[in-house]
Amino acid sequence: SYEVTQPLSVSVALGQTARITCGGNNITIKNAHWYQQKPGQAPVLVIYRDSNRPSGIPERFSGSNSGNTATLTISRAQAGDEADYYCQVRDSFWVFGGGTKLTVL
Amino acid sequence: EVQLVESGGGWVQPGRSLRLSCVASGFTFDDYAMHWVRQAPGKGLEWVSSVSWNSVGLDYADSVKGRFTISRDNAKNSLYLQMNSLGPDDTALYYCAKGGGSGTKYHFDYWGQGTLVTVSS
Repeated sequence: SYEVTQPLSVSVALGQTARITCGGNNITIKNAHWYQQKPGQAPVLVIYRDSNRPSGIPERFSGSNSGNTATLTISRAQAGDEADYYCQVRDSFWVFGGGTKLTVL
Repeated sequence: EVQLVESGGGWVQPGRSLRLSCVASGFTFDDYAMHWVRQAPGKGLEWVSSVSWNSVGLDYADSVKGRFTISRDNAKNSLYLQMNSLGPDDTALYYCAKGGGSGTKYHFDYWGQGTLVTVSS
């Protein structure tokens, strides 16, 4: 079965750029989606189909997908961006990455 | 405003059954696929099951296949998950999620707040 791998944690200085990766075999041929989950809250879609932002998601959130890696980029990181981030792709069925905890220093 | 409200969770003994419900509002329910996703305490997200808009497309994770059944009632704007032969590994917060399209291959654009299922003797 298809697997995607995320780093357990990423740290970023306030106002800097954070990049969270999602690795998978030739993931570029799949659509990658990204979800943000803050403690005690339900997940929220922040990027769909690699690089599209739902309405209400700040332009600071962007995505890309190339080769074996999909990437969520958060520019000008804010304290409010601290959360767990999950990538998701569809192979035969849906697959979530293990999640990455983003810390804003 | 899209709203998804889950119910039916609770404590249940191993081997028993439970039925979860999700009532949807704020969108045309029968235009979209729906999904169940669970999250064990302190763990990540795990996709459980999906149903297309017309219930023709049904998908299950290997971990629940043969034990769980997803269904929907478009007249009632409701999604269900019948869970049988429950075990401790099924202990989790179960989320209902709306699909981004009529088929099951689209992203999940809205999520409910979840209902907690605890399986323990």
